[in-house]
Amino acid sequence: QVQLVESGGGVVQPGRSLRLSCAASGFTFSSFAMNWVRQAPGKGLEWVAVISSDGINKYYADSVKGRFTISRDSPKNTLYLQMNSLRAEDTAVYHCVRMLTFGFAPFDYWGQGTLVTVSS
Amino acid sequence: EIVMTQSPATLSVSPGERVTLSCRASQSVSSNLAWYQRKPGQAPRLLMFGASTRATGIPARFSGSGSGTEFTLTISSLQSEDFAVYYCQQYNNWPPTTWTFGQGTKVEIK
Repeated sequence: QVQLVESGGGVVQPGRSLRLSCAASGFTFSSFAMNWVRQAPGKGLEWVAVISSDGINKYYADSVKGRFTISRDSPKNTLYLQMNSLRAEDTAVYHCVRMLTFGFAPFDYWGQGTLVTVSS
Repeated sequence: EIVMTQSPATLSVSPGERVTLSCRASQSVSSNLAWYQRKPGQAPRLLMFGASTRATGIPARFSGSGSGTEFTLTISSLQSEDFAVYYCQQYNNWPPTTWTFGQGTKVEIK
């Protein structure tokens, strides 16, 4: 079955960096676009970034553009999110999410998430 | 930004009851609307996409309807495993920089 397992979360000071990873299994990782979606404490879900199946096309939410970078290593079945210049408002649970197609499509599988806390 | 408004915020229901959840978009999203279920400690699960198409493995007691700005998720007879938070999400534009979620409706035991 499809499994998405995030790691790399933790407590980090404002302005510092953190890299999240997502290990994928149970499907052909190289065939699917992947996303990061986050949920801040007490807040709603917010889409963060998407990467196409071939890793060429990437899009970001305005709130993270220029600070976060999404990437993938298909031979390793792993998705990444490099987060730089972190802010308090980036505190959230970050979910690794698969989408049906790279386009007008919903998110069909989600990981449980990893918590990132930005605090001094 | 398209604002997705879900109502009610919380619904207290007894098992076996029929449940109707609403989701309203601030502008038309056509039928590009998905519903997700989230239980405590679990990852969200896709229930419905295209407003009315059940995702793989979703029981027939779940149904979706609507288009444009008004959408409904109906659970015909609530089971114990259905107590959860339900989110709607629009995916009407590309790239997804404008995709948004509703704030969720919590279905709790009465």
